Amino acid sequence: DAGITQSPRHKVTETGTPVTLRCHQTENHRYMYWYRQDPGHGLRLIHYSYGVKDTDKGEVSDGYSVSRSKTEDFLLTLESATSSQTSVYFCAISDPGLAGASYEQYFGPGTRLTVT
Amino acid sequence: AQTVTQSQPEMSVQEAETVTLSCTYDTSESDYYLFWYKQPPSRQMILVIRQEAYKQQNATENRFSVNFQKAAKSFSLKISDSQLGDAAMYFCTLYNNNDMRFGAGTRLTVKP
Repeated sequence: DAGITQSPRHKVTETGTPVTLRCHQTENHRYMYWYRQDPGHGLRLIHYSYGVKDTDKGEVSDGYSVSRSKTEDFLLTLESATSSQTSVYFCAISDPGLAGASYEQYFGPGTRLTVT
Repeated sequence: AQTVTQSQPEMSVQEAETVTLSCTYDTSESDYYLFWYKQPPSRQMILVIRQEAYKQQNATENRFSVNFQKAAKSFSLKISDSQLGDAAMYFCTLYNNNDMRFGAGTRLTVKP
């Protein structure tokens, strides 16, 4: 299994508070991604990073920001959490530059976030 | 925008039998990648199989195989000799240029 950890694994917070989720990898992969998973929607891309300090928006980026100051860490921040951001958040990594790779992504264990 | 459709919200199969999960997709690109991911109750997303669009040969991984029909934009997953451990949500996924789109998933139940 790819070395990907997410912290925290579970979090309950109140509306209006800031929240930061952390993704940490030990694989030295170039690309990192944040997704959210909601019933009936599969996973949807929030933001991704293609290198240190290089990030871009995904399909559902409103209300979220990201930062990547080191190859191994990718942070997702909810500046002011809302109930609509209650979800399960997954981090993923990939490195299509590796020999034999074909853009598959490897996922972390997920973080369940509840905004009350 | 790219889209992925899984028309079967739930499927069931008898242990040791074969089951096929359906997936259709839409993209304007000619170069892309398709994947099936499995999500058991543990919530972990596990890569099952991958298919490069430029390859005509259907991918296989042990008991898992795909039927890739590029012109029809269809990408079905066949699971042979189903096992209890195959019970999970299965997601069909389309990737192109950092845009990864998931279908809504098919929940597979395996009956002993």
